[in-house]
Amino acid sequence: DGGITQSPKYLFRKEGQNVTLSCEQNLNHDAMYWYRQDPGQGLRLIYYSQIVNDFQKGDIAEGYSVSREKKESFPLTVTSAQKNPTAFYLCASSLGGGYEQFFGPGTRLTVL
Amino acid sequence: EDQVTQSPEALRLQEGESSSLNCSYTVSGLRGLFWYRQDPGKGPEFLFTLYSAGEEKEKERLKATLTKKESFLHITAPKPEDSATYLCAVSDYGNKLVFGAGTILRVKS
Repeated sequence: DGGITQSPKYLFRKEGQNVTLSCEQNLNHDAMYWYRQDPGQGLRLIYYSQIVNDFQKGDIAEGYSVSREKKESFPLTVTSAQKNPTAFYLCASSLGGGYEQFFGPGTRLTVL
Repeated sequence: EDQVTQSPEALRLQEGESSSLNCSYTVSGLRGLFWYRQDPGKGPEFLFTLYSAGEEKEKERLKATLTKKESFLHITAPKPEDSATYLCAVSDYGNKLVFGAGTILRVKS
């Protein structure tokens, strides 16, 4: 079955630690995205990538980093510079910019 | 700047009580308007894409319509399993979608 997987489902981080969230897709989509969702708020774009080895900052990129070494994979690192990282993180993919996006199941990150 | 406003923020319905959710948007040039359903603790599930004013799409009890300024998601005879947050998003001819904050729908039996 084609789809998007994210791991882990739950992640706990101590203050000062970097953590990496995994996102893999087998839909053969060119574009991939990372969003953050806080209670009562819409989705906010962190980073996106239209092709391998290229990515752009979204609206809230500070304290986050990404890589796109393979078409199928778009990992997100939450660094210690992110001041309020506790949130629900969603990865998505699409055929290209502006097309409908398909989402993974999400990772809930909690800072202890 | 593209903007999406959804109303109401929350809606409570009795089973079988039909209603509509609203998505108002401003965009420089609409490439597509998207509706998603999101259950608690899960990723959004894609429902519909609408491309031009006058277009309609249906899926089971849901029907989405589009005008030049807004979209409606009509829910006919809802059931408790339709309870979810419904998200609207728009795309111009750039690379990103802009999402609204969503409408939380609760259907009671």
